[in-house]
Amino acid sequence: QLRLQESGPGLVKPSETLSLTCSVSGGSISSSKNFWAWLRQPPGKGLEWIGSLYNTVRANYNPSLLSRVSISADTSKNRLSLKLRSVTAADTGDYFCAGGGTNWIDPWGQGTLVTVSS
Amino acid sequence: SYEMTQPPSLSVSPGQTVTITCSGEKLGNKHVCWYQQRSGQSPVLVMYQDKKRPSGIPERFSGSNSGNTAALTINETQAMDEADYYCQAWDSGTVIFGGGTKLTVL
Repeated sequence: QLRLQESGPGLVKPSETLSLTCSVSGGSISSSKNFWAWLRQPPGKGLEWIGSLYNTVRANYNPSLLSRVSISADTSKNRLSLKLRSVTAADTGDYFCAGGGTNWIDPWGQGTLVTVSS
Repeated sequence: SYEMTQPPSLSVSPGQTVTITCSGEKLGNKHVCWYQQRSGQSPVLVMYQDKKRPSGIPERFSGSNSGNTAALTINETQAMDEADYYCQAWDSGTVIFGGGTKLTVL
């Protein structure tokens, strides 16, 4: 069974870069899903898609984050990465990685809380 | 940009039926998914491609999508169904979520 685990700093200073990793077990990121995604959820608010990665090389991003975000994969370590530059308090929230089927998102990782604060 | 609208909250009595709606322009032309997010947990897919249930999701969950409205119906609602529910679709290669519906079972 596919399992996803996010990891990274829980606290990031304003204007710095948020960097998270998603370790995938139970399957290869090169072949076990149609795509991989990062999503987030501000405290007490709804879900927001950050971006998706296809065939571990082609990324598609939320237009509202396009200028600040990058998603990549390390196939040798079977993990995904998320980088979000120039963060502000509005970037505080739970960050999830997930796998994707044809047009659905499943499974999701347990999420990791990132707080942007000085 | 494309938007989908859900009622912010709904309540239902145990054993009753509840329908959560998701509205968007010509939403029936898109495939809609639904996610359940219990308090403190990550989202779980409960419906995909409008009306297909993933393995492990009870049969009392059903879905539909036509015109401008998609719906998730829960029959014989149980206390464990209390959660936030989100609809999701794709638009021009991007993932769109509805604002979420908080379902209270009381």
